[in-house]
Amino acid sequence: SQQGEEDPQALSIQEGENATMNCSYKTSINNLQWYRQNSGRGLVHLILIRSNEREKHSGRLRVTLDTSKKSSSLLITASRAADTASYFCAICPADNYGQNFVFGPGTRLSVLP
Amino acid sequence: DAGITQSPRHKVTETGTPVTLRCHQTENHRYMYWYRQDPGHGLRLIHYSYGVKDTDKGEVSDGYSVSRSKTEDFLLTLESATSSQTSVYFCAISEARRDTQYFGPGTRLTVL
Repeated sequence: SQQGEEDPQALSIQEGENATMNCSYKTSINNLQWYRQNSGRGLVHLILIRSNEREKHSGRLRVTLDTSKKSSSLLITASRAADTASYFCAICPADNYGQNFVFGPGTRLSVLP
Repeated sequence: DAGITQSPRHKVTETGTPVTLRCHQTENHRYMYWYRQDPGHGLRLIHYSYGVKDTDKGEVSDGYSVSRSKTEDFLLTLESATSSQTSVYFCAISEARRDTQYFGPGTRLTVL
């Protein structure tokens, strides 16, 4: 399977702490994206990182990509209660044919006030 | 969810009945997708479209069909609903195949 696998499955932290989620995958990729899903809502795009990039930032979010280890991490700094959500990585395989992004099962983040 | 609507938002139906879900976009994006989301599985692609009347199967297409007669509308049909199709269904759009996908609010379908 080309599916991205997030780790951990669930994470609980205090407000103000940093949260780190990891995504591992099995195939070569064109790009990898992170999405957030609040309970009962659709997914919202956070960051896209291409296979030739190693790190990207967006506000309090930092994404890294290590293609040699086939892994990516999402760091949320100074977390807030509003960051409570599920986070998904989605991989776009490099040899994509008849298929688009493949999503992992997600990490459920709880930020406690 | 801006620019993408799904209807209905909730539906309860009985096994064996046909069901059609509608996705409507106002962004004029070429690609449209149907996913289902189930606990422990993330999102799984059912079908996608790369243009009017151009569609292809995804990972879990059995039991589903789609149609796209206009750029803005993508329909998902369950010809004869089964309990295993109880799920939350999401529509997504993108400008190009490997681009960012933008998701609709979802349709919760329960098949009794």
